[in-house]
Amino acid sequence: DGGITQSPKYLFRKEGQNVTLSCEQNLNHDAMYWYRQDPGQGLRLIYYSQIVNDFQKGDIAEGYSVSREKKESFPLTVTSAQKNPTAFYLCASSEGVGTEAFFGQGTRLTVV
Amino acid sequence: DAKTTQPPSMDCAEGRAANLPCNHSTISGNEYVYWYRQIHSQGPQYIIHGLKNNETNEMASLIITEDRKSSTLILPHATLRDTAVYYCIVRVAGYNTDKLIFGTGTRLQVFP
Repeated sequence: DGGITQSPKYLFRKEGQNVTLSCEQNLNHDAMYWYRQDPGQGLRLIYYSQIVNDFQKGDIAEGYSVSREKKESFPLTVTSAQKNPTAFYLCASSEGVGTEAFFGQGTRLTVV
Repeated sequence: DAKTTQPPSMDCAEGRAANLPCNHSTISGNEYVYWYRQIHSQGPQYIIHGLKNNETNEMASLIITEDRKSSTLILPHATLRDTAVYYCIVRVAGYNTDKLIFGTGTRLQVFP
C-alpha cells in the first residue's frame, strides 16, 4: 500500500540519550515534515524538507536534527539538548503547494 | 505564531450540519486554506483545501469569504464518528518554503 510510515509507535528512552525516529514514504513526494504535539495542543513544526539533501528549520528546531539523504526517508533525531522531549511526533509528506499532505500515525516518545 | 483562530469547542447533534468557523485575517494571496481533523492519538486526516473558490468533496464543503479573511468548514450530516479536533491551517509557500501552520483547533463533539 502507498503511504507514510512512522516507527516505532511507542518509544522509551532514558534522559540524556539521543534517539532517532523513523519516517518513510513511498508516495514519491518531494516534501516531508516533522511536527511535535503536546497534550491538548496543536501541531508545531520542527523541520521540513522540500527536496533531497535540503531542509529548513521550523518553529521549534532547537534540540532536534534531521537528514534527507533519500527522497523516501526523513529521520528525526531528538538530541540530549532538547529540554522536554516527551511528546507525540508526527511526520508528513506532500507533493507540494496546492496538494494534500499525508500524515503518518505518529511516534509517542517518552523520556524517563 | 498560528495564522488562524478557531473556537476551542463546538457541539453538534447527530444528523445535523456542523459549521466550523475559522479566521485567517492575515492570509496572503497565494496561501491556501486547509482543513484536517485528528482523532485522539492518531495522525491528522486531510479533509479539504481551497484558495479562493468554495470547494466540495465527499467529506465536506469549504466556504471561503470573498476577502479570504475567514472560512467555514461544513460537515453536512454529522455522525458520531465525526467527533474530533478540527484544524484550520494556512499553507505558507514561497521560495524554498512550504509549510503547514497549525493552530489549536476546534474540538467538535457530535452527540446522539
